[in-house]
Amino acid sequence: EAQVTQNPRYLITVTGKKLTVTCSQNMNHEYMSWYRQDPGLGLRQIYYSMNVEVTDKGDVPEGYKVSRKEKRNFPLILESPSPNQTSLYFCASSPNPWDGDPYEQYFGPGTRLTVT
Amino acid sequence: DQQVKQNSPSLSVQEGRISILNCDYTNSMFDYFLWYKKYPAEGPTFLISISSIKDKNEDGRFTVFLNKSAKHLSLHIVPSQPGDSAVYFCAASTFSSTDSWGKLQFGAGTQVVVTP
Repeated sequence: EAQVTQNPRYLITVTGKKLTVTCSQNMNHEYMSWYRQDPGLGLRQIYYSMNVEVTDKGDVPEGYKVSRKEKRNFPLILESPSPNQTSLYFCASSPNPWDGDPYEQYFGPGTRLTVT
Repeated sequence: DQQVKQNSPSLSVQEGRISILNCDYTNSMFDYFLWYKKYPAEGPTFLISISSIKDKNEDGRFTVFLNKSAKHLSLHIVPSQPGDSAVYFCAASTFSSTDSWGKLQFGAGTQVVVTP
């Protein structure tokens, strides 16, 4: 089954304790992206990656890191989480434009993060 | 600075009638627009898209209209069904840019409730 998986689905942590949210896709997509969803703000892009070892900032990259060492995985790293990073996070993947519709993004189920 | 705006946070419509969702954007460089649908506890799913070279795109019960001069697009759902009850996000990108096509801007979303 074609899917994007995220782990963990729920996480409660404390300020300053480093954490990683994993994202993996099994569709051989080159493009992957991270978003956060907040009430009244919709989805905001954190980082995206058009290919292995290629990452770019979205609209709200501050406080986040990503890496793309292999095509299927795109982890989101919070080196020192703060309460304003409490949010619902989504990972997504899609083909590149020359392989298909790049905007038919497949989203993961979401990770609910609470930072106290 | 939100460049994609959905000014109606909610919409209630009777089953069988038309749902019209609106979206405005401020960046004239946007040339590709999309709608995503999201159910609670799930990731968004791609619904329909439109390129700026078109003013209309239809897919079954869903039609997206683009008015470039007004920087406005709308999604029509006809007829509305109870299963259409979800949050709908409008998104935009500069697809023609080889460097930044992967950067997506989303609106805040519109909650649609279809009543029997």
